[in-house]
Amino acid sequence: NAGVTQTPKFQVLKTGQSMTLQCAQDMNHNSMYWYRQDPGMGLRLIYYSASEGTTDKGEVPNGYNVSRLNKREFSLRLESAAPSQTSVYFCASSVTETQYFGPGTRLLVL
Amino acid sequence: EDKVVQSPLSLVVHEGDTVTLNCSYEVTNFRSLLWYKQEKKAPTFLFMLTSSGIEKKSGRLSSILDKKELFSILNITATQTGDSAVYLCAVVPSGTYKYIFGTGTRLKVLA
Repeated sequence: NAGVTQTPKFQVLKTGQSMTLQCAQDMNHNSMYWYRQDPGMGLRLIYYSASEGTTDKGEVPNGYNVSRLNKREFSLRLESAAPSQTSVYFCASSVTETQYFGPGTRLLVL
Repeated sequence: EDKVVQSPLSLVVHEGDTVTLNCSYEVTNFRSLLWYKQEKKAPTFLFMLTSSGIEKKSGRLSSILDKKELFSILNITATQTGDSAVYLCAVVPSGTYKYIFGTGTRLKVLA
């Protein structure tokens, strides 16, 4: 039982490059989330998907897009990366209020 | 604006000590409060509290919620070095999936 998986684990981008962070869960959860975590800022919600086919903005959505590909997968895309997007990105899923987190993707934008 | 504030920001104790971590919140239409432990990687779930005054307990960890005064505490008794981590508090408003996290309390337990 893998739980929530994320790829890649680490990525370095140059300013202006694009990339997609992948997330998948095998717990049959309806809801999925993308967070970023910066020092001293806690976890901030970027986007979430309450169920397959729906997505909504969180607290810090600017510069990101998401796709809920199916019930298992929820991807986060950076169209034109900026140094301010250097962060650790966590994906999570839930069926009730309890969220289960993936191991994170560390992204460095130069 | 909804917010969650945790205190202290950091704490250093010795093994065997008891610690109390605080989480206060200002959230409209409160539904639940959750505590997570974050070591080097992903946060892991500890407790969820929805009713005031009810203590949740798991081994040396316990938590209680005061909905009137809008805060929760997480107690850790007989601390061990393995308790060293960042402890996160999150509040879930009713009718939304927008979890609001505090900035966390960094606990270091010295041998």
